[in-house]
Amino acid sequence: QSVVTQPPSVSGTPGQRVTISCSGGSSNIGRKSVNWYQHLPGTAPKLLIYNNDQRPSGVPDRFSGSKIGTSASLAISGLQSEDEGDYYCASWDDSLNGPLFGGGTKLTVL
Amino acid sequence: QITLKESGPTLVKPTQTLTLTCIVSGFSVNTPGVGVGWIRQPPGKALEWLALIYWDADKRYNPSLENRLTITHDTPKNQVVLTMADVDPVDTATYYCAHRDWRGFDYWGQGTLVTVS
Repeated sequence: QSVVTQPPSVSGTPGQRVTISCSGGSSNIGRKSVNWYQHLPGTAPKLLIYNNDQRPSGVPDRFSGSKIGTSASLAISGLQSEDEGDYYCASWDDSLNGPLFGGGTKLTVL
Repeated sequence: QITLKESGPTLVKPTQTLTLTCIVSGFSVNTPGVGVGWIRQPPGKALEWLALIYWDADKRYNPSLENRLTITHDTPKNQVVLTMADVDPVDTATYYCAHRDWRGFDYWGQGTLVTVS
């Protein structure tokens, strides 16, 4: 079964840099690009990173993505209180024949 | 400006069929390269992809739900419809539709909460 794994939670203080990991396999991250979505309370999910490390227009450069092999990471620098919410990685999965979301990571800004 | 809006019942009884409509604007559902997908989020749980339909009517379903799902698009009305048969309380979730291009799901609707009870 295809699975993409994220830590359930991460936390940081304002101004700090945090990273969120995303681990997949050969049927998804290993051969496909990774997206990251930000889901803030009471809002619709938002595309934060596409094609592993590209930011859509309007996304601050505080957010950056990377991918090595079957793993990916999202880094958020200069942490702000408004960044608090859930973050999901996603990748096309050849076994699923569709997009596969990770389990999500709750970011808490202390 | 691309927008999507989900509509459908807020309450459905177990075993009934749920029908959700995604009304889109700012693009056509038959624009080459474009797809519209449905994603849900049960309370307190993660996002789960359900189904995806491309501009040429090519369809993809999550294998875990495929036998219960049907996705179609109506070009004149510029909308996408998802039906889910034989619903169960575990299908209680916020259901989102989203525009998909080569980058991923880049525009999302606000979501609609469906309770099965």
